Amino acid sequence: DARVTQTPRHKVTEMGQEVTMRCQPILGHNTVFWYRQTMMQGLELLAYFRNRAPLDDSGMPKDRFSAEMPDATLATLKIQPSEPRDSAVYFCASEGKGGGETQYFGPGTRLLVL
Amino acid sequence: GQNIDQPTEMTATEGAIVQINCTYQTSGFNGLFWYQQHAGEAPTFLSYNVLDGLEEKGRFSSFLSRSKGYSYLLLKELQMKDSASYLCAVWNRDDKIIFGKGTRLHILP
Repeated sequence: DARVTQTPRHKVTEMGQEVTMRCQPILGHNTVFWYRQTMMQGLELLAYFRNRAPLDDSGMPKDRFSAEMPDATLATLKIQPSEPRDSAVYFCASEGKGGGETQYFGPGTRLLVL
Repeated sequence: GQNIDQPTEMTATEGAIVQINCTYQTSGFNGLFWYQQHAGEAPTFLSYNVLDGLEEKGRFSSFLSRSKGYSYLLLKELQMKDSASYLCAVWNRDDKIIFGKGTRLHILP
């Protein structure tokens, strides 16, 4: 049963600390998305990769957020330094052929920055 | 700008039919998705429309009118487990997927 996995599932940290979230896409999927969801803003696209190359990260605050895909089985999203307004659920999703295909979401990382 | 509008909340009765509307103004259009999201869980795919018309999939159907920038999700024979948020999302010409804020659907027994 192929699925997207994310770690950690929950993270509580203090303002100023570095946070790293990891995602393992479904094997064979070549597009990976990072989303953030809050009650106020809903689901927002932060960044996405196709064939490990970053295609768009315009939704991401560049001064503190960074997204990478060191290999086809791992995507990372880092926040340094973290701030209370970063508290949200961060979802990773992967997609098959690229463009208009079904996105499969991971379970999310619930981040709370105190 | 990119704008996707859907009602914030709706209530319907078990066994009934409900229609959730979505209107969009985006830079180009490649397709429209509907996702279901139960509280505390990740979104799951329901449907994808590229061409105008109605796509039926069991109890769920999705309609698209590209000229009107309009879609709806129709849920029939409602069940309690259909209580969830329903997200409309548009894939625009910049190869981005823009999500609406979702419609929370409450099902009453």
